[in-house]
Amino acid sequence: DIQMTQSPSSLSASVGDRVTITCRASQGITNYLAWFQQKPGKAPKSLIYAASSLHSGVPSRFSGSGSGTDFTLTISSLQPEDFATYYCQQYNSYPLTFGGGTEVEIK
Amino acid sequence: QEQLVESGGGVVQPGTSLRLSCAASGFTFGAYAMHWVRQAPGKGLEWVAVILYDKSDKKYADSVKGRFTISRDNSENTLYLQMNSLRGEDTAVYYCARTRAAYCDTTTCREFVYWGQGTLVTVSS
Repeated sequence: DIQMTQSPSSLSASVGDRVTITCRASQGITNYLAWFQQKPGKAPKSLIYAASSLHSGVPSRFSGSGSGTDFTLTISSLQPEDFATYYCQQYNSYPLTFGGGTEVEIK
Repeated sequence: QEQLVESGGGVVQPGTSLRLSCAASGFTFGAYAMHWVRQAPGKGLEWVAVILYDKSDKKYADSVKGRFTISRDNSENTLYLQMNSLRGEDTAVYYCARTRAAYCDTTTCREFVYWGQGTLVTVSS
């Protein structure tokens, strides 16, 4: 199975900050990488697929990059509604696997 | 408006069975592969199973293989997860999720876009 490692596991940031979350795969996954946002008590929301493509309706302050084993999710200017937990997921092969999550908290 | 609504969760004893349902609306259900993903309380996300739009293939996580069965009724726009021999570690919120592309290929069948709100399964004596 492909292991996905996210860092940091949590971070504190202020509204307006630029935030970067890193995801590393245990083997190459080309660009088969997705990012999800989850707020407490809610279902995950799909943000990005194919490492850098935004799903419809996702604000442009979110961006993704990377290929192979190393990927990043960047929020260019953090907004109050962005405080949540973010997960990466590889879909290069089954079983599909997720990173452990990064909790973005208010500083 | 695409919508997925899970149901069927509850409190059950270890060793028993439960069937979850996911009712779809707002899109052509029979054109999309569907997944189940679960989340144990306070934990991260775990993929459980997938079924292709035409039922031609199904895949499972090792943790549920042989105990869980994914199925679908395209005439009823409903996805199912039959869970047998339930264990405490199966306690989780179970989400259904739809793939991004209709009539997906090998790779796009693995891309989620829409998620249901989840249904809680608690396995406890």
